[in-house]
Amino acid sequence: DVKVTQSSRYLVKRTGEKVFLECVQDMDHENMFWYRQDPGLGLRLIYFSYDVKMKEKGDIPEGYSVSREKKERFSLILESASTNQTSMYLCASSSSSDTIYFGEGSWLTVV
Amino acid sequence: DQQVKQNSPSLSVQEGRISILNCDYTNSMFDYFLWYKKYPAEGPTFLISISSIKDKNEDGRFTVFLNKSAKHLSLHIVPSQPGDSAVYFCAASEIQGAQKLVFGQGTRLTINP
Repeated sequence: DVKVTQSSRYLVKRTGEKVFLECVQDMDHENMFWYRQDPGLGLRLIYFSYDVKMKEKGDIPEGYSVSREKKERFSLILESASTNQTSMYLCASSSSSDTIYFGEGSWLTVV
Repeated sequence: DQQVKQNSPSLSVQEGRISILNCDYTNSMFDYFLWYKKYPAEGPTFLISISSIKDKNEDGRFTVFLNKSAKHLSLHIVPSQPGDSAVYFCAASEIQGAQKLVFGQGTRLTINP
């Protein structure tokens, strides 16, 4: 079975803090993604990566950056957290010929 | 602009009856469509997909119908079971093996005993 693991399930951070969300997949997938889920808005793509050290902006990249130094690991970085970044963050991975598999999500609250 | 729309935020169905979830899209380049199911505090899980060369795909109790001319797809669940209560997301991409999926807003399905 594909496993996408998000290291932190629940976080509370203060406004202005730097926040790291880590994600690891164990299926040697080329593609990795970060989405956020908000009520009434569905899942929106923040960034994705199709190879090590490669990244592309999704639909809502503002306020976020990403890092992919190893194939299995994709990190989402909030340089200076703001209250409007309170959300559920979902990491996902896929191969080029398969569907996307999601992690269990990280609930971030910025106070 | 919302390229994939699920216009019903919620749906309530009696156990044993048919559940029909609807999804509309605007991008004519979309070629591959998926449905995901999500329980609270969990990540979405893949349910069923359909390529634009088909108009129907069936997997057990789940059937997805695609009407390309109307840019509309629907998910039918028959018979509905209490464990089907979840949020369902419709998603679309321009190619299979999607590098980018565009999701709808989700529909919360509640199955009543």
